[in-house]
Amino acid sequence: LAKTTQPISMDSYEGQEVNITCSHNNIATNDYITWYQQFPSQGPRFIIQGYKTKVTNEVASLFIPADRKSSTLSLPRVSLSDTAVYYCLVGGSFSGGYNKLIFGAGTRLAVHP
Amino acid sequence: DAGVTQSPTHLIKTRGQHVTLRCSPISGHKSVSWYQQVLGQGPQFIFQYYEKEERGRGNFPDRFSARQFPNYSSELNVNALLLGDSALYLCASSFRGDHEQYFGPGTRLTVT
Repeated sequence: LAKTTQPISMDSYEGQEVNITCSHNNIATNDYITWYQQFPSQGPRFIIQGYKTKVTNEVASLFIPADRKSSTLSLPRVSLSDTAVYYCLVGGSFSGGYNKLIFGAGTRLAVHP
Repeated sequence: DAGVTQSPTHLIKTRGQHVTLRCSPISGHKSVSWYQQVLGQGPQFIFQYYEKEERGRGNFPDRFSARQFPNYSSELNVNALLLGDSALYLCASSFRGDHEQYFGPGTRLTVT
């Protein structure tokens, strides 16, 4: 499973766009990129998943360049409630085996008034 | 629809005791995974079950065991508790065990 590297912490202000970049140089051909959000004392929450190019849902966008060695989670117009730890994970989809989620330390995002 | 549920919410045990944690997946999900999260760290994978069979095991001692029942609920058992087992234990369910997993609120285990 590919290892990921992301910033330990980031600070932002309400209303700003936040971009968190994750490096995964050893990503395999069948690996997907998945982001989770976690608030204190809660389980992680699935945010978005992608394979290549751009994926957008109601809460975030995920940008993946052609070489797939990095990805950027974009949170538009953050609010105080977006203060959380964000995890980037890479791995294959179910293919008859199993997929354990390998969490790193994550990025602690602090949104200020 | 109900999300993933876990019980109990909190638990205090003494070293050497054993503990059983329970998880009910989202209806229709056939895979359950267990994770341990120590304060300040990301969750660490313990087990994954799919269709009642163990599909994967993380780097945890044999004191940790789990099983999945016909209704897809699951139990995590930990024997001979150590102080270092104090953590938040998370259960996640998914349809087939893929990367889009849905986590429960966790069980906070404190070993004294």
